[in-house]
Amino acid sequence: AQKVTQAQTEISVVEKEDVTLDCVYETRDTTYYLFWYKQPPSGELVFLIRRNSFDEQNEISGRYSWNFQKSTSSFNFTITASQVVDSAVYFCALSGLTISNSGYALNFGKGTSLLVTP
Amino acid sequence: GAVVSQHPSWVICKSGTSVKIECRSLDFQATTMFWYRQFPKQSLMLMATSNEGSKATYEQGVEKDKFLINHASLTLSTLTVTSAHPEDSSFYICSARDRGLPYEQYFGPGTRLTVT
Repeated sequence: AQKVTQAQTEISVVEKEDVTLDCVYETRDTTYYLFWYKQPPSGELVFLIRRNSFDEQNEISGRYSWNFQKSTSSFNFTITASQVVDSAVYFCALSGLTISNSGYALNFGKGTSLLVTP
Repeated sequence: GAVVSQHPSWVICKSGTSVKIECRSLDFQATTMFWYRQFPKQSLMLMATSNEGSKATYEQGVEKDKFLINHASLTLSTLTVTSAHPEDSSFYICSARDRGLPYEQYFGPGTRLTVT
């Protein structure tokens, strides 16, 4: 079975603070992909990153960075110098076979609601 | 880039009526499309997997007769909520998997359904 845990339900920070969103996953697959999505109030999912299980290199994209550690089954997301526009719900997701075995749907964590105040 | 559209973006219907939601891949072929449902302040839950030319596969607890899925072509899947009730009010999001790229999925903008 696959599972994604985002233990932080809500986080509130003041603008310019750094914030890390945690994601812990469980899977029996040796090949899998991990994702982060941003969901602003409009509801549309915004793709942020995809990482495969064989690539443990950390990644930085502007103010965003990701730390993937297979040893702890974690894929954490850090926003540096947060801005008000970063306020949204962030989902971590894991790809894998669905329960019905028809392939590669995403299993989402419960999401972390981030509020950045001025 | 790969684009997935959904229509309508929002819909209000009366209890007992049926509503059809379309999911289209605009610039790529999608042999597989997924339908997710998201209740307010909750996560996305997979409802069903739609494969072109074959019957959809539903997740446990999802009523097949209530949520009819048709994937008639490589670019179109439809979800019909039959005899809708207020508890079906939700945000429905589809995603399309690029043919030949199993881990590439592109999400539609979602359809907000309100049943009165």
